[in-house]
Amino acid sequence: EDQVTQSPEALRLQEGESSSLNCSYTVSGLRGLFWYRQDPGKGPEFLFTLYSAGEEKEKERLKATLTKKESFLHITAPKPEDSATYLCAVQLYGGATNKLIFGTGTLLAVQP
Amino acid sequence: ETGVTQSPTHLIKTRGQQVTLRCSSQSGHNTVSWYQQALGQGPQFIFQYYREEENGRGNFPPRFSGLQFPNYSSELNVNALELDDSALYLCASSGGIGSGNTIYFGEGSWLTVV
Repeated sequence: EDQVTQSPEALRLQEGESSSLNCSYTVSGLRGLFWYRQDPGKGPEFLFTLYSAGEEKEKERLKATLTKKESFLHITAPKPEDSATYLCAVQLYGGATNKLIFGTGTLLAVQP
Repeated sequence: ETGVTQSPTHLIKTRGQQVTLRCSSQSGHNTVSWYQQALGQGPQFIFQYYREEENGRGNFPPRFSGLQFPNYSSELNVNALELDDSALYLCASSGGIGSGNTIYFGEGSWLTVV
């Protein structure tokens, strides 16, 4: 069964304290791995898509990396406005193109 | 702003009633999908529409149905509402020229069933 697991479930950081979020996946055929940010009561905001092992993408204080079994979202020197739930999702070959299988997310709180 | 707009933003329905949620996809995006997100969970794929046809469905019963219109906008209909249908319903679109494989979500419609 295709599965996505995110850890930790929740993470509290001090402003400026760098860390990483993990997304491990077990799927039949990975087409793409997506990262989204979701603020309370809002829809997911697209961050990155990664396609192959070794690929990295960056946006401001965020960097996403991909291996054959997992992806990491590295947050460098976070600020309070980075507080949100970060969702990881996989897109598979052979399925509906907009079908994403999501993990349950990591709730990040950055304290000033 | 993703360009994906959903309505209504919030609504309350009684168990057994029917509800229709609406979505306007980002300009030029021809593929629309719907997701259900319960509190504390990741979104769950309901179905996808492309060229006005359903071409992918998740593990949801037939009382969840949809439509896509020629302008690519879409509706999600849920019949015989149950208490467990209370959730955030998200619309996502993709497929426009130059958008690549990016999938954009709207802000969602909060449905409460009482």
